[in-house]
Amino acid sequence: DAKTTQPTSMDCAEGRAANLPCNHSTISGNEYVYWYRQIHSQGPQYIIHGLKNNETNEMASLIITEDRKSSTLILPHATLRDTAVYYCIVNYGQNFVFGPGTRLSVLP
Amino acid sequence: DSGVTQTPKHLITATGQRVTLRCSPRSGDLSVYWYQQSLDQGLQFLIQYYNGEERAKGNILERFSAQQFPDLHSELNLSSLELGDSALYFCASSLRTSGVLNTGELFFGEGSRLTVL
Repeated sequence: DAKTTQPTSMDCAEGRAANLPCNHSTISGNEYVYWYRQIHSQGPQYIIHGLKNNETNEMASLIITEDRKSSTLILPHATLRDTAVYYCIVNYGQNFVFGPGTRLSVLP
Repeated sequence: DSGVTQTPKHLITATGQRVTLRCSPRSGDLSVYWYQQSLDQGLQFLIQYYNGEERAKGNILERFSAQQFPDLHSELNLSSLELGDSALYFCASSLRTSGVLNTGELFFGEGSRLTVL
């Protein structure tokens, strides 16, 4: 079973920041938080991952709370092409278990 | 382009038949994972291989089997097919740098869409 809880769906206006939350209250000390997305039945795409510190790359930012029980993926300027299902996964050395994710709809 | 290649992209077959799906991982990646995604369902982990050896099994039916060859490509064999086996089958690869533990991300192929009629 997935160790994370995410909203089923979210909307975001084009050009605005999309903030996708994830709860992982049972995360253990050595587990990383990973984010993937899947655009309309394409292969899932890696976005970002982190352990404790906030992380940023060209796609997104990952904010992890100090107690590590939750995190937020931030897409700073959402575009229509960011419409996808976003998966939050906690993992260390095990196999990636995908939950239902959050269906993000970016609206024009 | 993730660098993971899956063939065929689409496959239509009849119940009771057998098919083989093929996956070529990214250059240098030693681990291969197989996932199944039925219509409007999540990704279900099936099986994982590392450098030719089976490392983990998920919800894989006994009618299904897989292997990873010395050149690291992998095949997923699905036999005695049923209507419910219709799904997208994804392969992913990763580079394991410390034996069992995966400290990196997965790179997914574009999937093989299987339709069983």
